[in-house]
Amino acid sequence: AQTIHQWPVAEIKAVGSPLSLGCTIKGKSSPNLYWYWQATGGTLQQLFYSITVGQVESVVQLNLSASRPKDDQFILSTEKLLLSHSGFYLCAWSLQGAYAEQFFGPGTRLTVL
Amino acid sequence: GDSVTQTEGPVTVSESESLIINCTYSATSIAYPNLFWYVRYPGEGLQLLLKVITAGQKGSSRGFEATYNKETTSFHLQKASVQESDSAVYYCALGDMNYNQGKLIFGQGTKLSIKP
Repeated sequence: AQTIHQWPVAEIKAVGSPLSLGCTIKGKSSPNLYWYWQATGGTLQQLFYSITVGQVESVVQLNLSASRPKDDQFILSTEKLLLSHSGFYLCAWSLQGAYAEQFFGPGTRLTVL
Repeated sequence: GDSVTQTEGPVTVSESESLIINCTYSATSIAYPNLFWYVRYPGEGLQLLLKVITAGQKGSSRGFEATYNKETTSFHLQKASVQESDSAVYYCALGDMNYNQGKLIFGQGTKLSIKP
């Protein structure tokens, strides 16, 4: 069975500090991977997607970056956090191909103070 | 642009009553929109409830139904008789499932509470 793990579960960080959020998918090879973000009271927005190792496409510009160093790992990061980065971050995966259902991880709650 | 608007919550319904959560979409840049309902139960992750990829078709799952209406650009979620276990946050989403991106545009979510 496929499992998706996100870390950390929650994070409280200072404005201007760096950030790294991680996501690992086990039990599925060569998945498509996605990062989503939801501000408090806002909608879920897709931030990045990746169809293969080393390739990441940006969907929304939020002064964040993403990388896919391994087939099963997706990293979201920034060198300088902004207050507006607070929210809930979700990682998701899907099989490659049209109409593929996306499966979401448990999420990371980020609070920037 | 592409967007989804759904019933603003929170919504409270008594157990065994019927439910409808409205969802309308705008798909100006998506040639063949797909429509989804996702659900987040308390303490759990976001999961797919149902999906419909062809206009005019109906999807169903766990007693919920939604029909993809291209004329009214709607995808309302309905259930004839709700249960306490249906308490959750429901998200309508619009998809552009081209091979690479798997783009999903979500509505703002509707928090549903069921009164026993």
